[in-house]
Amino acid sequence: GENVEQHPSTLSVQEGDSAVIKCTYSDSASNYFPWYKQELGKRPQLIIDIRSNVGEKKDQRIAVTLNKTAKHFSLHITETQPEDSAVYFCAAPSRASTGGGADGLTFGKGTHLIIQP
Amino acid sequence: EAGVVQSPRYKIIEKKQPVAFWCNPISGHNTLYWYRQNLGQGPELLIRYENEEAVDDSQLPKDRFSAERLKGVDSTLKIQPAELGDSAVYLCASSSQGKGYTFGSGTRLTVV
Repeated sequence: GENVEQHPSTLSVQEGDSAVIKCTYSDSASNYFPWYKQELGKRPQLIIDIRSNVGEKKDQRIAVTLNKTAKHFSLHITETQPEDSAVYFCAAPSRASTGGGADGLTFGKGTHLIIQP
Repeated sequence: EAGVVQSPRYKIIEKKQPVAFWCNPISGHNTLYWYRQNLGQGPELLIRYENEEAVDDSQLPKDRFSAERLKGVDSTLKIQPAELGDSAVYLCASSSQGKGYTFGSGTRLTVV
């Protein structure tokens, strides 16, 4: 099955700076990579996802990059704000996915992002 | 649209007792998932349904866990008997092909 490694486990940045979280995966057939944000005591919420036919996707201050050759993908948050403080999880399909979204996901262990005022 | 609805939100039981969790997915979402999230960890898949069929239950501890989705809509996850190590948040999620997951708020189970 898929193995997803995520780092760092904790990331502290100054408000206004950028934050980068990195994940690697093991199954070269995987082609769907979502990122989730989870605030304390709340549900994980999808913030951005990318499919393997593109190398980068951006949504306002959030971007995700994918390197299929190296089997890693990264989350980039620019101009960080206090409300960005949360735990972020990357994920990949538990089995090779042809379309993404229907297969079960294997999650990384999470990154606790702390925005310092 | 209504989101994924789970109940109860919290449950405290003594070890060896049974417990059940309920989930109603987003209308029209034919894929339903149950995940378990231990403190400080990412969610771990327990079972996936396509309509009423369990298509991936390889991570479900079948000696004590069971699940059903009889009419292909709402689902129940049961633990019998519960053990101390089952304390976790049990998350339900649903999706429609090609779209990302939506998680429910989860049931926080504490086994004492």
